[in-house]
Amino acid sequence: DAGITQSPRYKITETGRQVTLMCHQTWSHSYMFWYRQDLGHGLRLIYYSAAADITDKGEVPDGYVVSRSKTENFPLTLESATRSQTSVYFCASREGEQFFGPGTRLTVL
Amino acid sequence: AQSVSQHNHHVILSEAASLELGCNYSYGGTVNLFWYVQYPGQHLQLLLKYFSGDPLVKGIKGFEAEFIKSKFSFNLRKPSVQWSDTAEYFCAVIQIDSNYQLIWGAGTKLIIKP
Repeated sequence: DAGITQSPRYKITETGRQVTLMCHQTWSHSYMFWYRQDLGHGLRLIYYSAAADITDKGEVPDGYVVSRSKTENFPLTLESATRSQTSVYFCASREGEQFFGPGTRLTVL
Repeated sequence: AQSVSQHNHHVILSEAASLELGCNYSYGGTVNLFWYVQYPGQHLQLLLKYFSGDPLVKGIKGFEAEFIKSKFSFNLRKPSVQWSDTAEYFCAVIQIDSNYQLIWGAGTKLIIKP
């Protein structure tokens, strides 16, 4: 089925561990985005990508790394997870309107 | 910096009441405008969008929004809300001649009392 998927949907990890959140879209949209959603903050952009091998920082990039070797994949890595990175993470792709994945709920203990 | 303001963070209404959620943006150039909805426990979904043409836009589930360029506004309306409209609503703006990024409002939590 066409769409945008994220994995895992739920993740619990410990402070200091590396975590990678996966995002895959089937439309071949050029633009892809990673947001985090926290109470009181709405959506905040972490990183975005305009095309394969082109990425750039958003509003809150510290502590995160992204890559985009293929158009359809846009993984987000937390190199050394911190409690403040406990959040719900949404991946999105855009062609005109923006389409969102189902989200990953990450808890850092 | 450009911004999108949603003036009401929380709105509580009874079923059948009329709804209007405010959205104002600060950019003076050409914009594309969106309203997204997030039902409890779900991801964001597009409710409606404005690119050009008729400034009154009809969306899904009986929602509509009016783009008033002179007021930099894109308010969301629904004449009669239902309990199932309980959700969080986000306004977002793309600045066409500036960059690709969606600028998001902080969201409005809407609670409909049955």
